[in-house]
Amino acid sequence: AQSVTQPDIHITVSEGASLELRCNYSYGATPYLFWYVQSPGQGLQLLLKYFSGDTLVQGIKGFEAEFKRSQSSFNLRKPSVHWSDAAEYFCAVVPGTSGTYKYIFGTGTRLKVLA
Amino acid sequence: GAGVSQSPSNKVTEKGKDVELRCDPISGHTALYWYRQSLGQGLEFLIYFQGNSAPDKSGLPSDRFSAERTGGSVSTLTIQRTQQEDSAVYLCASSPGLAGGDLFGPGTRLTVL
Repeated sequence: AQSVTQPDIHITVSEGASLELRCNYSYGATPYLFWYVQSPGQGLQLLLKYFSGDTLVQGIKGFEAEFKRSQSSFNLRKPSVHWSDAAEYFCAVVPGTSGTYKYIFGTGTRLKVLA
Repeated sequence: GAGVSQSPSNKVTEKGKDVELRCDPISGHTALYWYRQSLGQGLEFLIYFQGNSAPDKSGLPSDRFSAERTGGSVSTLTIQRTQQEDSAVYLCASSPGLAGGDLFGPGTRLTVL
Protein backbone atom coordinates (compact mmCIF):
# COMPACT_ATOMS: atom_id res chain seq x y z
CA ALA A 1 0.00 0.00 0.00
CA GLN A 2 1.12 3.53 -0.67
CA SER A 3 2.34 5.40 2.38
CA VAL A 4 4.19 8.51 3.44
CA THR A 5 6.48 8.60 6.45
CA GLN A 6 7.59 11.67 8.29
CA PRO A 7 9.85 10.22 10.97
CA ASP A 8 10.17 13.37 13.06
CA ILE A 9 7.03 14.29 14.98
CA HIS A 10 8.61 17.36 16.56
CA ILE A 11 11.64 19.42 15.58
CA THR A 12 13.05 22.42 17.42
CA VAL A 13 15.54 24.76 15.82
CA SER A 14 16.92 28.16 16.68
CA GLU A 15 16.00 31.13 14.56
CA GLY A 16 18.57 31.54 11.81
CA ALA A 17 19.57 27.89 11.85
CA SER A 18 19.10 25.61 8.88
CA LEU A 19 16.23 23.15 8.69
CA GLU A 20 15.63 19.80 7.08
CA LEU A 21 12.35 17.92 7.42
CA ARG A 22 12.36 14.34 6.26
CA CYS A 23 9.80 12.59 4.09
CA ASN A 24 9.91 9.08 2.69
CA TYR A 25 7.26 7.50 0.53
CA SER A 26 6.38 4.01 -0.46
CA TYR A 27 5.03 3.69 -3.97
CA GLY A 28 5.91 1.55 -6.97
CA ALA A 29 6.18 4.30 -9.56
CA THR A 30 7.27 7.91 -9.33
CA PRO A 31 4.53 9.80 -7.55
CA TYR A 32 3.80 13.46 -7.48
CA LEU A 33 5.17 14.94 -4.26
CA PHE A 34 4.09 17.91 -2.21
CA TRP A 35 4.88 19.81 0.96
CA TYR A 36 2.19 21.73 2.81
CA VAL A 37 2.38 23.97 5.85
CA GLN A 38 -0.36 24.49 8.41
CA SER A 39 -0.14 27.33 10.89
CA PRO A 40 -2.21 27.08 14.08
CA GLY A 41 -5.91 27.37 13.31
CA GLN A 42 -5.25 27.74 9.61
CA GLY A 43 -5.84 25.64 6.55
CA LEU A 44 -3.16 23.98 4.46
CA GLN A 45 -0.88 26.08 2.29
CA LEU A 46 1.14 24.57 -0.53
CA LEU A 47 4.89 25.20 -0.18
CA LEU A 48 6.11 23.34 -3.25
CA LYS A 49 5.48 20.36 -5.48
CA TYR A 50 7.38 17.96 -7.69
CA PHE A 51 5.89 16.41 -10.80
CA SER A 52 8.94 15.71 -12.98
CA GLY A 53 12.16 17.25 -14.25
CA ASP A 54 14.68 18.99 -12.03
CA THR A 55 14.79 17.10 -8.76
CA LEU A 56 15.51 20.24 -6.73
CA VAL A 57 12.31 22.20 -6.37
CA GLN A 58 12.02 25.75 -5.14
CA GLY A 59 8.96 26.85 -3.23
CA ILE A 60 7.53 29.79 -1.41
CA LYS A 61 8.91 31.34 1.77
CA GLY A 62 12.47 30.31 0.91
CA PHE A 63 11.82 26.56 1.10
CA GLU A 64 13.20 23.95 -1.27
CA ALA A 65 12.94 20.20 -1.52
CA GLU A 66 14.95 17.54 -3.27
CA PHE A 67 13.49 14.40 -4.81
CA LYS A 68 15.81 11.41 -4.47
CA ARG A 69 14.39 8.44 -6.32
CA SER A 70 17.01 6.02 -4.98
CA GLN A 71 16.05 6.87 -1.41
CA SER A 72 12.30 7.37 -2.03
CA SER A 73 12.69 10.68 -0.26
CA PHE A 74 11.50 14.24 -0.68
CA ASN A 75 13.09 16.22 2.13
CA LEU A 76 12.22 19.84 2.78
CA ARG A 77 14.97 22.33 3.52
CA LYS A 78 15.41 25.95 4.44
CA PRO A 79 18.82 27.55 4.96
CA SER A 80 17.76 30.01 7.65
CA VAL A 81 14.61 29.57 9.68
CA HIS A 82 12.47 32.51 10.78
CA TRP A 83 10.26 32.56 13.86
CA SER A 84 7.22 32.76 11.57
CA ASP A 85 8.08 29.33 10.17
CA ALA A 86 6.82 27.68 13.35
CA ALA A 87 3.97 25.50 12.13
CA GLU A 88 3.15 21.93 11.19
CA TYR A 89 4.50 20.58 7.93
CA PHE A 90 2.94 17.80 5.91
CA CYS A 91 4.45 15.80 3.10
CA ALA A 92 1.93 14.36 0.62
CA VAL A 93 1.93 11.98 -2.29
CA VAL A 94 -0.35 11.48 -5.24
CA PRO A 95 0.12 8.55 -7.60
CA GLY A 96 1.52 9.93 -10.85
CA THR A 97 -1.19 8.28 -12.89
CA SER A 98 -4.16 9.38 -10.81
CA GLY A 99 -4.71 12.77 -12.37
CA THR A 100 -6.15 13.97 -9.09
CA TYR A 101 -5.21 15.59 -5.81
CA LYS A 102 -6.34 12.56 -3.87
CA TYR A 103 -3.49 12.89 -1.42
CA ILE A 104 -1.88 10.47 0.93
CA PHE A 105 -0.51 12.62 3.71
CA GLY A 106 2.26 11.97 6.17
CA THR A 107 1.55 12.39 9.86
CA GLY A 108 3.21 15.78 9.96
CA THR A 109 6.22 17.38 11.65
CA ARG A 110 5.63 20.15 14.13
CA LEU A 111 8.35 22.79 13.97
CA LYS A 112 9.20 24.95 16.94
CA VAL A 113 11.52 27.91 16.47
CA LEU A 114 13.52 29.28 19.36
CA ALA A 115 14.30 32.97 19.47
CA GLY B 1 -13.81 35.98 -2.28
CA ALA B 2 -10.79 34.58 -4.07
CA GLY B 3 -10.34 31.49 -1.96
CA VAL B 4 -12.17 28.37 -0.91
CA SER B 5 -14.64 29.12 1.85
CA GLN B 6 -16.18 26.75 4.35
CA SER B 7 -19.02 27.15 6.77
CA PRO B 8 -19.51 27.03 9.61
CA SER B 9 -16.01 27.54 10.92
CA ASN B 10 -16.95 25.74 14.12
CA LYS B 11 -19.78 23.35 14.86
CA VAL B 12 -20.62 21.77 18.19
CA THR B 13 -23.26 19.09 18.17
CA GLU B 14 -24.61 16.36 20.36
CA LYS B 15 -24.00 12.71 19.69
CA GLY B 16 -26.67 11.29 17.42
CA LYS B 17 -27.51 14.54 15.65
CA ASP B 18 -27.00 15.15 11.93
CA VAL B 19 -24.69 17.90 10.69
CA GLU B 20 -24.09 19.57 7.35
CA LEU B 21 -20.81 21.19 6.40
CA ARG B 22 -20.58 23.47 3.41
CA CYS B 23 -17.79 24.18 0.96
CA ASP B 24 -17.74 26.97 -1.62
CA PRO B 25 -14.95 26.24 -4.09
CA ILE B 26 -13.15 28.70 -6.28
CA SER B 27 -15.30 29.62 -9.25
CA GLY B 28 -14.43 27.55 -12.29
CA HIS B 29 -12.65 24.80 -10.39
CA THR B 30 -14.01 21.52 -11.64
CA ALA B 31 -12.52 19.30 -8.95
CA LEU B 32 -13.50 19.38 -5.28
CA TYR B 33 -12.12 17.29 -2.44
CA TRP B 34 -13.05 16.70 1.19
CA TYR B 35 -10.46 15.68 3.76
CA ARG B 36 -10.69 15.04 7.49
CA GLN B 37 -8.00 15.96 9.99
CA SER B 38 -8.22 14.27 13.36
CA LEU B 39 -5.81 13.64 16.20
CA GLY B 40 -5.93 9.90 15.88
CA GLN B 41 -5.94 9.52 12.11
CA GLY B 42 -4.11 12.55 10.73
CA LEU B 43 -5.20 13.89 7.35
CA GLU B 44 -7.47 11.53 5.44
CA PHE B 45 -9.07 11.75 2.04
CA LEU B 46 -12.86 11.43 2.16
CA ILE B 47 -14.43 12.12 -1.24
CA TYR B 48 -13.62 13.66 -4.62
CA PHE B 49 -15.86 15.28 -7.21
CA GLN B 50 -14.74 15.94 -10.77
CA GLY B 51 -17.14 17.74 -13.07
CA ASN B 52 -20.22 15.65 -13.81
CA SER B 53 -18.49 12.35 -13.15
CA ALA B 54 -19.61 10.04 -10.37
CA PRO B 55 -17.79 11.02 -7.16
CA ASP B 56 -14.95 8.95 -5.76
CA LYS B 57 -16.32 8.01 -2.34
CA SER B 58 -13.58 5.58 -1.47
CA GLY B 59 -12.44 7.50 1.62
CA LEU B 60 -15.77 7.86 3.38
CA PRO B 61 -15.41 6.04 6.71
CA SER B 62 -18.97 4.82 7.04
CA ASP B 63 -22.39 5.05 5.43
CA ARG B 64 -23.26 7.82 7.89
CA PHE B 65 -21.14 10.10 5.72
CA SER B 66 -22.37 11.45 2.42
CA ALA B 67 -21.64 14.41 0.20
CA GLU B 68 -23.14 16.11 -2.76
CA ARG B 69 -22.08 18.82 -5.12
CA THR B 70 -24.82 20.87 -6.67
CA GLY B 71 -24.42 22.49 -10.06
CA GLY B 72 -20.76 21.66 -10.11
CA SER B 73 -20.09 24.26 -7.46
CA VAL B 74 -21.07 24.23 -3.79
CA SER B 75 -20.60 20.98 -1.91
CA THR B 76 -22.23 19.77 1.29
CA LEU B 77 -20.79 17.04 3.49
CA THR B 78 -23.44 15.44 5.67
CA ILE B 79 -22.75 13.30 8.71
CA GLN B 80 -25.75 11.47 10.10
CA ARG B 81 -26.09 10.25 13.68
CA THR B 82 -22.80 11.83 14.66
CA GLN B 83 -20.44 9.97 16.96
CA GLN B 84 -17.68 11.35 19.16
CA GLU B 85 -15.06 9.87 16.85
CA ASP B 86 -16.38 12.16 14.09
CA SER B 87 -14.87 15.11 15.95
CA ALA B 88 -12.27 16.54 13.60
CA VAL B 89 -11.48 19.39 11.28
CA TYR B 90 -13.08 18.89 7.88
CA LEU B 91 -11.14 20.46 5.05
CA CYS B 92 -12.30 21.18 1.54
CA ALA B 93 -10.05 21.84 -1.46
CA SER B 94 -10.76 22.72 -5.07
CA SER B 95 -8.71 22.52 -8.21
CA PRO B 96 -9.00 23.36 -11.91
CA GLY B 97 -7.00 20.25 -12.73
CA LEU B 98 -3.79 18.59 -11.63
CA ALA B 99 -1.45 21.04 -13.30
CA GLY B 100 -3.38 24.00 -12.00
CA GLY B 101 -2.74 23.37 -8.35
CA ASP B 102 -5.25 23.08 -5.58
CA LEU B 103 -6.31 25.35 -2.77
CA PHE B 104 -7.59 24.38 0.65
CA GLY B 105 -10.27 26.13 2.64
CA PRO B 106 -9.83 27.03 6.32
CA GLY B 107 -11.81 24.02 7.50
CA THR B 108 -14.77 23.37 9.76
CA ARG B 109 -13.97 22.20 13.26
CA LEU B 110 -16.61 19.70 14.33
CA THR B 111 -16.98 18.77 17.96
CA VAL B 112 -19.37 15.99 18.91
CA LEU B 113 -20.27 15.97 22.59
